[in-house]
Amino acid sequence: SAVISQKPSRDICQRGTSLTIQCQVDSQVTMMFWYRQQPGQSLTLIATANQGSEATYESGFVIDKFPISRPNLTFSTLTVSNMSPEDSSIYLCSVVLGSTEAFFGQGTRLTVV
Amino acid sequence: QQQVKQSPQSLIVQKGGISIINCAYENTAFDYFPWYQQFPGKGPALLIAIRPDVSEKKEGRFTISFNKSAKQFSLHIMDSQPGDSATYFCAASKDYKLSFGAGTTVTVRA
Repeated sequence: SAVISQKPSRDICQRGTSLTIQCQVDSQVTMMFWYRQQPGQSLTLIATANQGSEATYESGFVIDKFPISRPNLTFSTLTVSNMSPEDSSIYLCSVVLGSTEAFFGQGTRLTVV
Repeated sequence: QQQVKQSPQSLIVQKGGISIINCAYENTAFDYFPWYQQFPGKGPALLIAIRPDVSEKKEGRFTISFNKSAKQFSLHIMDSQPGDSATYFCAASKDYKLSFGAGTTVTVRA
């Protein structure tokens, strides 16, 4: 497995502001993803963080709202922009190791007030 | 539209009993089916996984049964323990991207 560190672990933010979440992995990984888990719900894929190129977003998610950076094979950031209370969720970084196994960070619990 | 359907939403089992969670999918392009265990305040932890060319996989007290023709798979937790009380998610992978079921909250009564 891999050690996946996310910062911050939780935050309370004012509506209209932005928050950048960091994901650091202890080894180089090719595949890195960002997921969202709304309160009491399942996980939904936001985007694939591509190293050296623009992220690939899933239906319903756009770059202006969730800009993602991936400067190298061990680090990525997700920004939640112009936040509203509906953005209150757990945001999770995930990496794929080997051929298929996906591992998750502990998540960033975001509350927008 | 949820690509993976999971049931039941919750279940209660006595210590030592068997917990069974079922999932179904439609997209035959899925090629990997993991199960995750999540405790409150924690990220999901990979529990066990299976590929569609295998009908069953067992790791300790956890067993996945896979029925490719029915497009269904299930998780059996044998000899359930209070420490197994958690939310369990099935998932299906295509191109390394995971689609998750809605989750099952398992409560094991001592």
